Amino acid sequence: GAGVSQSPSNKVTEKGKDVELRCDPISGHTALYWYRQSLGQGLEFLIYFQGNSAPDKSGLPSDRFSAERTGGSVSTLTIQRTQQEDSAVYLCASSAGIGVGAQYFGPGTRLLVL
Amino acid sequence: SQQGEEDPQALSIQEGENATMNCSYKTSINNLQWYRQNSGRGLVHLILIRSNEREKHSGRLRVTLDTSKKSSSLLITASRAADTASYFCATDAQGAQKLVFGQGTRLTINP
Repeated sequence: GAGVSQSPSNKVTEKGKDVELRCDPISGHTALYWYRQSLGQGLEFLIYFQGNSAPDKSGLPSDRFSAERTGGSVSTLTIQRTQQEDSAVYLCASSAGIGVGAQYFGPGTRLLVL
Repeated sequence: SQQGEEDPQALSIQEGENATMNCSYKTSINNLQWYRQNSGRGLVHLILIRSNEREKHSGRLRVTLDTSKKSSSLLITASRAADTASYFCATDAQGAQKLVFGQGTRLTINP
C-alpha cells in the first residue's frame, strides 16, 4: 500500500480483556516502531523491530504488553488483561534502512478501556 | 525524562505571521527531526537535520540546529490556517536505533 495502515481505528474494550492491534508498514521498510500517546502528550516509545534482529522491547511498560512481527512485515501489538490506564492512541511507524531516518506513521488505533 | 523538550507548549498567532518553535535535548545526537500532528492521529515527517548541519529549508519551513547549545528551532513563515497542528521534535541518541519525542508545541493559526 501507499502508506502505513493500522487496524482497528478505534477499539473499546472492558477492563481485563485482551486486545490486538495491527500494523501494516510500508512495503520494503525494514524498521517498524510502536508508540503510545496519551491525550495531549508526546509519544512514548514501546518497541522497535529492525529486519531479523531481536526487537528492542525496552519501552514496553509491563509484561502485559507484547508485540511480534511476522515475516518482516505485519506487526501485532497485544495487550493482555487491559487496564484503564492503557487507554491511549497507539501509533505504528515504519522507516527504510539502517539508522534512524524519517519515520512514516499510520493513523493510529484509539483504545478505550472501560 | 524526555530527550526533546519543545517550547512554547502552546502558540497562537494570526494568519500570515511567522511561527517559531524551539526544541532542547540532552544527549549527543546523529540527527534531529520535526513532525506535525493533526487531530491527535498520525504524525507527518517535516524535516530532518543532521548533527553536522546548521540550517535547513523546506518550502516555508526553516530549521536550525545548534549542537553546542543542544537546541533546534522550527520557523514557519507566512503561516496559514492549515498549519494549525501540534509540532514535535524527535532526536536519536547516538548509538540508539530509535527516536525520542518531545511533548510538542500546539500551534493555532487564527484567520
